[in-house]
Amino acid sequence: NAGVTQTPKFQVLKTGQSMTLQCAQDMNHNSMYWYRQDPGMGLRLIYYSASEGTTDKGEVPNGYNVSRLNKREFSLRLESAAPSQTSVYFCASRDVGLAGAYEQYFGPGTRLTVT
Amino acid sequence: GEDVEQSLFLSVREGDSSVINCTYTDSSSTYLYWYKQEPGAGLQLLTYIFSNMDMKQDQRLTVLLNKKDKHLSLRIADTQTGDSAIYFCAESISSGTYKYIFGTGTRLKVLA
Repeated sequence: NAGVTQTPKFQVLKTGQSMTLQCAQDMNHNSMYWYRQDPGMGLRLIYYSASEGTTDKGEVPNGYNVSRLNKREFSLRLESAAPSQTSVYFCASRDVGLAGAYEQYFGPGTRLTVT
Repeated sequence: GEDVEQSLFLSVREGDSSVINCTYTDSSSTYLYWYKQEPGAGLQLLTYIFSNMDMKQDQRLTVLLNKKDKHLSLRIADTQTGDSAIYFCAESISSGTYKYIFGTGTRLKVLA
């Protein structure tokens, strides 16, 4: 049971390049999320997927697209990278735990630098 | 709008208690959470509290919730150097939504 995995761990892009961040979970969770983490700003939600086949915008969706490929996988695409997208990106999935609490499980993160 | 605020830094001596504070604005929050992030890693759930509770204790961790003031705190007893990390509070709005609002994180430094 690997939990939530993300690839790659590190990436450097030039402005204008595109790339896809991959995320997979093996816990049979319905909901999956993409966040970005910037110093002093905490985690901000980019997109989320409540269930397979659905995606919705979060707080900061501009410049990103997502695909919920199947129940396990949720990818984040940067079509034309900009320096403002330099950040650490986290994928998470959600379970319903004991007493109804909605626990999120996080991947280890992808550190992206755009030059 | 929804907002969760925390102070950015806290420094304590090993063996002392740490108290990390958080304020939130959405009174319809169902659950409030504390997550821990160690360097270079993702977030790990530490504990959570249901919004109709005032207190929850879990080993060295005590969570206090003042719903009237929309104030949440995490107390770590007998703080150890391994507790050095960033601590995030977060709220989920209701069981019907899928979104969480995270605070900015408090960096706890434990001095030996």
